[in-house]
Amino acid sequence: DAGVIQSPRHEVTEMGQEVTLRCKPISGHDYLFWYRQTMMRGLELLIYFNNNVPIDDSGMPEDRFSAKMPNASFSTLKIQPSEPRDSAVYFCASSLVGSGNTIYFGEGSWLTVV
Amino acid sequence: AQSVTQPDIHITVSEGASLELRCNYSYGATPYLFWYVQSPGQGLQLLLKYFSGDTLVQGIKGFEAEFKRSQSSFNLRKPSVHWSDAAEYFCAVGSLGNTGKLIFGQGTTLQVKP
Repeated sequence: DAGVIQSPRHEVTEMGQEVTLRCKPISGHDYLFWYRQTMMRGLELLIYFNNNVPIDDSGMPEDRFSAKMPNASFSTLKIQPSEPRDSAVYFCASSLVGSGNTIYFGEGSWLTVV
Repeated sequence: AQSVTQPDIHITVSEGASLELRCNYSYGATPYLFWYVQSPGQGLQLLLKYFSGDTLVQGIKGFEAEFKRSQSSFNLRKPSVHWSDAAEYFCAVGSLGNTGKLIFGQGTTLQVKP
């Protein structure tokens, strides 16, 4: 299996620009998660989907952040406008109900906003 | 409140020495427990997990962990550390009723001395 695939792996952007992070979950998985990792706050769950439907977005920091999952094999996390404090590693992860909450992570998108 | 505590932010051990990383949790439901490892610049890789049954679980790379309900702990151990084990280790907890949504500890960074 190819695992969870994220793109871009690295992005440097200027403050105020729109950033779109992409994720392809493991085929057949029905849960998809977006996490953010920073030194200060560790791993934070931003939002997760079940069967393409957003279930809990309480971790999304503010309206500048939005996430979509138009189909079972693709999701995006968008930041508009971006700010320097959004600099972090953003992980996408997926899991399959019945696998006992085992979440498989992608390798992350390293975002720097200057 | 649900939480995971990893008391040790940073641990240094000599190569060949034994290792124990501590994890304590506070969780109202029956917990599912996980240990993940993150190498620099990489995503999180599952080391092992506990759902039920034998409280001593074996994982990949020679790691094991023991679930102690009375102490609300799930400590990770390895009898002999290798230089390649240097990484950050995360303990996480979830439950069947909250499929896929994990709460992570802040992580423990392991440094291995030659």
